[in-house]
Amino acid sequence: QVQLVQSGAEVKKPGASLTVSCKASGFTVTNYYMHWVRQAPGQGLEWMGIINPSGGSTTYAQKFQGRVTMTSDTSTTTVYMEVSSLTSEDTAVYYCARGLRSTKSFDYWGQGTLVTVSS
Amino acid sequence: EIVLTQSPGTLSLSPGERATLSCRASQSVTTTYLAWYQQKPGQAPRLLIYAASSRATGIPDRFSGSGSGTDFTLTISRLEPEDFAVYYCQQYGSSLWTFGQGTKVEIK
Repeated sequence: QVQLVQSGAEVKKPGASLTVSCKASGFTVTNYYMHWVRQAPGQGLEWMGIINPSGGSTTYAQKFQGRVTMTSDTSTTTVYMEVSSLTSEDTAVYYCARGLRSTKSFDYWGQGTLVTVSS
Repeated sequence: EIVLTQSPGTLSLSPGERATLSCRASQSVTTTYLAWYQQKPGQAPRLLIYAASSRATGIPDRFSGSGSGTDFTLTISRLEPEDFAVYYCQQYGSSLWTFGQGTKVEIK
């Protein structure tokens, strides 16, 4: 069965960097695009960007350009997202999600990783 | 960037009632690229509807989607206790994905 398992919760200080991992199983990761979506406490969903694990090409939402880097390791079927220069505004739950190429929707989601940025 | 505006912000209804949720786009959205999600507290979102009107695998037929252009609707024909949650619409256009701000369906 399709599973996306994310790394555990993190507490970071302002100015630090963060890397969240998302291990995929139950499907061929190179046949899908993978996305990252975040959700601040009590807020809605915010799309951050997309990576094509087959080749590594990425597109980021303008808000995150220059501060977010998405990578993939097809040998371990894991995608990663690094966020640099963290501020308290980055406190959120971060989700990876599998994207469908035909309808551009997200059919499977990771369990979420809570990131708290606090001094 | 296409902005999605959902209304109402909160919908207070009783089990068994019909829920009608709206999603309006700032410019026309390709019907194939409009989806709806359900999210319960502490859980990841779940895909309900893709391509504006197609139910995802395992989604009960009390959920239906409709619309085109800039106006889309999610309808829950008869609310079950497990349907009280937050619902988001999502679109794709110009290599970008965006979500609406969500509609909370709460028990009246």
